[in-house]
Amino acid sequence: AQKITQTQPGMFVQEKEAVTLDCTYDTSDQSYGLFWYKQPSSGEMIFLIYQGSYDEQNATEGRYSLNFQKARKSANLVISASQLGDSAMYFCAMRGGTGNQFYFGTGTSLTVIP
Amino acid sequence: GAVVSQHPSWVICKSGTSVKIECRSLDFQATTMFWYRQFPKQSLMLMATSNEGSKATYEQGVEKDKFLINHASLTLSTLTVTSAHPEDSSFYICSARILRGTYEQYFGPGTRLTVT
Repeated sequence: AQKITQTQPGMFVQEKEAVTLDCTYDTSDQSYGLFWYKQPSSGEMIFLIYQGSYDEQNATEGRYSLNFQKARKSANLVISASQLGDSAMYFCAMRGGTGNQFYFGTGTSLTVIP
Repeated sequence: GAVVSQHPSWVICKSGTSVKIECRSLDFQATTMFWYRQFPKQSLMLMATSNEGSKATYEQGVEKDKFLINHASLTLSTLTVTSAHPEDSSFYICSARILRGTYEQYFGPGTRLTVT
């Protein structure tokens, strides 16, 4: 069975500071993918970053980086230099299983304080 | 590229009526689309997997006779909520998957359904 766990229901960060959003996963698959999505109040799911299970280097996309620790089964999202527009829900997701489905965590609500 | 649209973006319907939500991949072909449901401040829950030209696969606990899914072409999947009740009020999101690379899913903007 696949499971994604996000233990931080809400996080606050000062503008221009960095913040880490935690994500752990559980799977018996050898090949899987890890994704982070941002969901602002408008509801759209915005893709942020992807990490493949065989990727040895941590993924980076602009101000987003993924701290991938395979042995610990964690895939934390690091947002550097937070901006007010970063305030949103953030979901960690894993692609896996026989149907390559997505399994979502419960999300973390991030609030950036001016 | 990889844009997914949904129509309507919001809909209000009366209890007992049916409502259809469309999901389209605008610039790519999607053999597989997914339908999710999201309650306020909660995560996305997968309802069903829609494969072009075949019957949808529903997740456990999702009533297939209530949530009718049709994937008639490589760019269109529809979700029809039949005999809607107030408890069906929710945010419905579709996604389309590209069968290459990361198997990433591209999400539509969602449809907010309110049943009165």
